[in-house]
Amino acid sequence: RKEVEQDPGPFNVPEGATVAFNCTYSNSASQSFFWYRQDCRKEPKLLMSVYSSGNEDGRFTAQLNRASQYISLLIRDSKLSDSATYLCAVNKGGGNKLTFGTGTQLKVEL
Amino acid sequence: GAVVSQHPSRVICKSGTSVKIECRSLDFQATTMFWYRQFPKKSLMLMATSNEGSKATYEQGVEKDKFLINHASLTLSTLTVTSAHPEDSSFYICSAREGKRGVNYGYTFGSGTRLTVV
Repeated sequence: RKEVEQDPGPFNVPEGATVAFNCTYSNSASQSFFWYRQDCRKEPKLLMSVYSSGNEDGRFTAQLNRASQYISLLIRDSKLSDSATYLCAVNKGGGNKLTFGTGTQLKVEL
Repeated sequence: GAVVSQHPSRVICKSGTSVKIECRSLDFQATTMFWYRQFPKKSLMLMATSNEGSKATYEQGVEKDKFLINHASLTLSTLTVTSAHPEDSSFYICSAREGKRGVNYGYTFGSGTRLTVV
């Protein structure tokens, strides 16, 4: 089993739709979790950290389910500009290394 | 916010030559930096952890003699791809996190270096 797994997609959604991605992780000792956005041929950019209590930033909501070992990202009212690859990243703890999932590609269409 | 600068952004080199990539933290000190490699449509794969003033820690399967890492100051880490071959062609990205930040503070990435070996 991979340390961090994501559905690669692509998710093709119409503008205005709500879309959700999940990311599962295998190490129950993982301590911190992040969602990154990566545009084609660019570096990843931090979208949001994922806290145990869940967190929201505008149209984006991230949640953590430790019992089932997954994190989720919900995007409401999708915009064309949301089209990108969304990477989840997990810090296993005991160090600072981040392990990334393969990313989920989102395409928002007119 | 934290800014990481990476140069060059793109390099094309001949097979057998060496290429140096620089990663600088511009407004913070980074005792630790990370080097990743990303192949097309693949995820970021951690190559090594660069530690200021000491040897880098390499991930399993990454040749330390081929990918030389130097972290001589708190704001600069370099990755040298020695005797590059076409299979080394990839997108190399560095990242760092401001040391004083807590574990829930994300890492900042450099803009990446697209290496093409011909």
